[in-house]
Amino acid sequence: EDQVTQSPEALRLQEGESSSLNCSYTVSGLRGLFWYRQDPGKGPEFLFTLYSAGEEKEKERLKATLTKKESFLHITAPKPEDSATYLCAVQGGFKTIFGAGTRLFVKA
Amino acid sequence: NAGVTQTPKFRVLKTGQSMTLLCAQDMNHEYMYWYRQDPGMGLRLIHYSVGEGTTAKGEVPDGYNVSRLKKQNFLLGLESAAPSQTSVYFCASSFPLAGGIDNEQFFGPGTRLTVL
Repeated sequence: EDQVTQSPEALRLQEGESSSLNCSYTVSGLRGLFWYRQDPGKGPEFLFTLYSAGEEKEKERLKATLTKKESFLHITAPKPEDSATYLCAVQGGFKTIFGAGTRLFVKA
Repeated sequence: NAGVTQTPKFRVLKTGQSMTLLCAQDMNHEYMYWYRQDPGMGLRLIHYSVGEGTTAKGEVPDGYNVSRLKKQNFLLGLESAAPSQTSVYFCASSFPLAGGIDNEQFFGPGTRLTVL
């Protein structure tokens, strides 16, 4: 059965304190891995898609990486506006399955 | 472009009542989805559609029905609401890549439903 597990559930950082969020997955035939950002009371917003192991993508302070078993979302020198829930999703077969998310709090 | 819109934003139902949630997208996307989001459980797929006139079951379809009569609209119906259906419902749409590989999904703002 396809599964997506995100850790930690919550992460509290000081402004400027770099860290990483983890997304571990079990899927038969990965077709794509997606990262989304969700602000309170809003729908998820797309960040990245990764299709194969070794692939990396960057956007401002965020960098996503992919291996055969997990993906990391690295946050470099975060700012308070990076506070949000970060969702990981994987597509194996046709359906896309979401993880429960990591809630990130960045304190000024 | 309005993107993906959902109606209504909030709703309170009594057990046994019925209602329909409307999702509309103006991006000419082929695929549309209905998810529910509960604390600690992430997004779970209820039903989805790969084109006008087609629908399919997702991970948690029981108690829900859907219809996609027009490409831009995707309706989610609750025939007899239960307290277990209290949740936040999100609609999404996407334009898949070749081979059915999913592309980024565009989400609506959500509908917060409470069933008493």
